[in-house]
Amino acid sequence: DTGVSQDPRHKITKRGQNVTFRCDPISEHNRLYWYRQTLGQGPEFLTYFQNEAQLEKSRLLSDRFSAERPKGSFSTLEIQRTEQGDSAMYLCASSLQQVAGGPDTQYFGPGTRLTVL
Amino acid sequence: AQRVTQPEKLLSVFKGAPVELKCNYSYSGSPELFWYVQYSRQRLQLLLRHISRESIKGFTADLNKGETSFHLKKPFAQEEDSAMYYCALSGRAGGTSYGKLTFGQGTILTVHP
Repeated sequence: DTGVSQDPRHKITKRGQNVTFRCDPISEHNRLYWYRQTLGQGPEFLTYFQNEAQLEKSRLLSDRFSAERPKGSFSTLEIQRTEQGDSAMYLCASSLQQVAGGPDTQYFGPGTRLTVL
Repeated sequence: AQRVTQPEKLLSVFKGAPVELKCNYSYSGSPELFWYVQYSRQRLQLLLRHISRESIKGFTADLNKGETSFHLKKPFAQEEDSAMYYCALSGRAGGTSYGKLTFGQGTILTVHP
């Protein structure tokens, strides 16, 4: 399977614990995005990388959230001191930046479902 | 600010009937619009994008900048079209390139036999 992969698919944790999610993009894609989706809502943008540079962060991304893409390939999203409000589906997407500056097509992974007890 | 509104949470039609899923947007720069679909137990996938002006699985969507709408249409719905549909916008302003997507809340389409 050459699509975007995410690990783990499901994570149950207790409030106050730290969790880390991993995303492996499509191999030739230089852009990687993180979104969060809660029940009944569309995905909401969290942050994105172009190669290893983090170019934009949403105001949704509190200080407890950190994302990295150290070698411009896979990315990790860490949530420290989890809260019940962090329970959501965390989606990763990757794309290839268009040379002409047009919009890229984002390909989504299956998501990591986080439940904070 | 970017905003996408899908006014219908649920939409039910019978097989063979026309279907239209509404999408309105708000953005002051140069928007590009997309429709994404999520079938049961599958990941989110691109259905079509405005810039391609193509028809996928019989669906089309026309960008109306005057009405700031990007409604998704299909003349004859099929049962396999039952899914969650999201309208999304990617914007560019101030010389920056397109990046993040802003999604609507989604519309659940059910096509009855």
